[in-house]
Amino acid sequence: DGGITQSPKYLFRKEGQNVTLSCEQNLNHDAMYWYRQDPGQGLRLIYYSQIVNDFQKGDIAEGYSVSREKKESFPLTVTSAQKNPTAFYLCASNSDRGDHYGYTFGSGTRLTVV
Amino acid sequence: DQQVKQNSPSLSVQEGRISILNCDYTNSMFDYFLWYKKYPAEGPTFLISISSIKDKNEDGRFTVFLNKSAKHLSLHIVPSQPGDSAVYFCAASAFGNTPLVFGKGTRLSVIA
Repeated sequence: DGGITQSPKYLFRKEGQNVTLSCEQNLNHDAMYWYRQDPGQGLRLIYYSQIVNDFQKGDIAEGYSVSREKKESFPLTVTSAQKNPTAFYLCASNSDRGDHYGYTFGSGTRLTVV
Repeated sequence: DQQVKQNSPSLSVQEGRISILNCDYTNSMFDYFLWYKKYPAEGPTFLISISSIKDKNEDGRFTVFLNKSAKHLSLHIVPSQPGDSAVYFCAASAFGNTPLVFGKGTRLSVIA
């Protein structure tokens, strides 16, 4: 069955540490996205990639980095420069055909800074 | 600047009645609008969408209405069921597969 897998589901990080959130899809989708959800803030775009080896900053990219070395994978690194990293992180993908129905989300990773 | 606004953080409706969730947008370039449903600790799932060339789209109990002149859309759920209790996000996209812009969500509670 095709879908998006995010891991881990829960992640705890000490202040000053970098952590990497995994996102893998087997839907053969070209585009992948990272969103962040905070209470009362909705979903805000961090980074997105429409093709391998290329990615663009979203609205809140500061303190985050990504890579897109493979079509299936779009890992997100939360660096120590991110001032408020505690949040629920969602990865999504869709085909690059303007197919708005194709936005598929993973089940999310909850990151907590301790 | 918020381009997609859901001004009601929460809504409570009795089972069997109609639920109406509202969404306003400011960007005139948006040409496609979607509603997503989200349960706690899960990713959003697609519910229904509408293109800017239409003013209504219906799918079972769910209907989305678009008023382009007012830059307003609404989601109607009839009849509401307890399983509809979730957070509903309005999202919009401009032509060319630009990333979806989401509103802050409305938490719907359907009371039995």
